[in-house]
Amino acid sequence: SSELTQDPAVSVALGQTVRITCQGDSLRSYYASWYQQKPGQAPVLVIYGKNNRPSGIPDRFSGSSSGNTASLTITGAQAEDEADYYCNSRDSSGNLVVFGGGTKLTVL
Amino acid sequence: EVQLVESGGGLVQPGRSLRLSCTASGFTFGDYAMSWVRQAPGKGLEWVGFIRSKAYGGTTEYAASVKGRFTISRDDSKSIAYLQMNSLKTEDTAVYYCTRDGPGSGYEVWYFDYWGQGTLVTVSS
Repeated sequence: SSELTQDPAVSVALGQTVRITCQGDSLRSYYASWYQQKPGQAPVLVIYGKNNRPSGIPDRFSGSSSGNTASLTITGAQAEDEADYYCNSRDSSGNLVVFGGGTKLTVL
Repeated sequence: EVQLVESGGGLVQPGRSLRLSCTASGFTFGDYAMSWVRQAPGKGLEWVGFIRSKAYGGTTEYAASVKGRFTISRDDSKSIAYLQMNSLKTEDTAVYYCTRDGPGSGYEVWYFDYWGQGTLVTVSS
């Protein structure tokens, strides 16, 4: 079982805002990072650290954190944002890495 | 352009061994820690392990599920990272991704900024 918990599925209407969450004790000490994975493709980093976007990632993607919960927010979701989203962080010991179970985002 | 290309996947019987390679280009390989992440068919991502850069001792860490069976190594002269997998089990069947650990990983954050396309390992008799 993962030390990071994500909702299995979330849906959002086209153009609306959606928040995908990731919960875990390690998030009280470490930042989460977020990855987008489309079918048949490798994951792509979309947010890392406090709220950093790699080059090429649209600014509609943002990250935040509070307590044991990290969030990925997509403001104005587009059809191309439909994908699986995974969070990751260090584990509670700080020595290893863990991923959340993933959230399947459907854009309606 | 950063590129990571995995190779060495295939079909292997339970209990046997397999070695995966990750050939990197487009960056100074020796300056970065490298990780392996796997994804079983239809499942989520699972971190396998990583190797630090030589500047940080070149040491390794592994997930509990593979510790003692898998070994990560690196050849900085060739810009290649390896994943040696021994005593393979059917539950090791997955696509194995090579990733570059992002700058600053290991302190407040640990992230993977570049991923290969993955190589499929199937463990079956």
